[in-house]
Amino acid sequence: QQQVKQSPQSLIVQKGGIPIINCAYENTAFDYFPWYQQFPGKGPALLIAIRPDVSEKKEGRFTISFNKSAKQFSLHIMDSQPGDSATYFCAASVTQGGSEKLVFGKGTKLTVNP
Amino acid sequence: ETGVTQTPRHLVMGMTNKKSLKCEQHLGHNAMYWYKQSAKKPLELMFVYNFKEQTENNSVPSRFSPECPNSSHLFLHLHTLQPEDSALYLCASSPLRGANTDTQYFGPGTRLTVL
Repeated sequence: QQQVKQSPQSLIVQKGGIPIINCAYENTAFDYFPWYQQFPGKGPALLIAIRPDVSEKKEGRFTISFNKSAKQFSLHIMDSQPGDSATYFCAASVTQGGSEKLVFGKGTKLTVNP
Repeated sequence: ETGVTQTPRHLVMGMTNKKSLKCEQHLGHNAMYWYKQSAKKPLELMFVYNFKEQTENNSVPSRFSPECPNSSHLFLHLHTLQPEDSALYLCASSPLRGANTDTQYFGPGTRLTVL
């Protein structure tokens, strides 16, 4: 119930393509869903996040679609660029003991070819 | 990366050594976290500190010993590690829940290799 399932494990697209990464969860107590981007040798960096009362959130070329009834959410990257090549992690958050507990997916390695 | 800093960035140690990892956050957050990131595995939460008090120990072996002297600093003391402990160790911090950006911010990590 604490798992977040992420797919695909890896994804290769051409420049300008629209990669889509999907995540699913079971625990309905999760109340915040951030996406992180990680480049090699760096820590994960917050990219975009959504709360379950919203079905879609867009920031620049990145869009989260959220389906509360299906307990699924996805990340879309519009007009993808080679600089977007990184590993993307979805996560789900719940408060425990006054602090945030994040449960991460296994990550998707995205390669955007020129 | 100036929000959460970690030192050292790389560490190679033998199984009998004792070393410490340091994390410092400059974001005014009240919660701090240690994670382990291994290849092909999800990020594994190790410890959580809230206002300097440990609120979670995720069944971590005792050869890993955390210390949180204040809300801005977090240490991970290492002793008699095993080769399978080689990984990227990430520190994170977060504000109180309810803030507009109430999620975790990560440092760059310490790449640990145990020989």
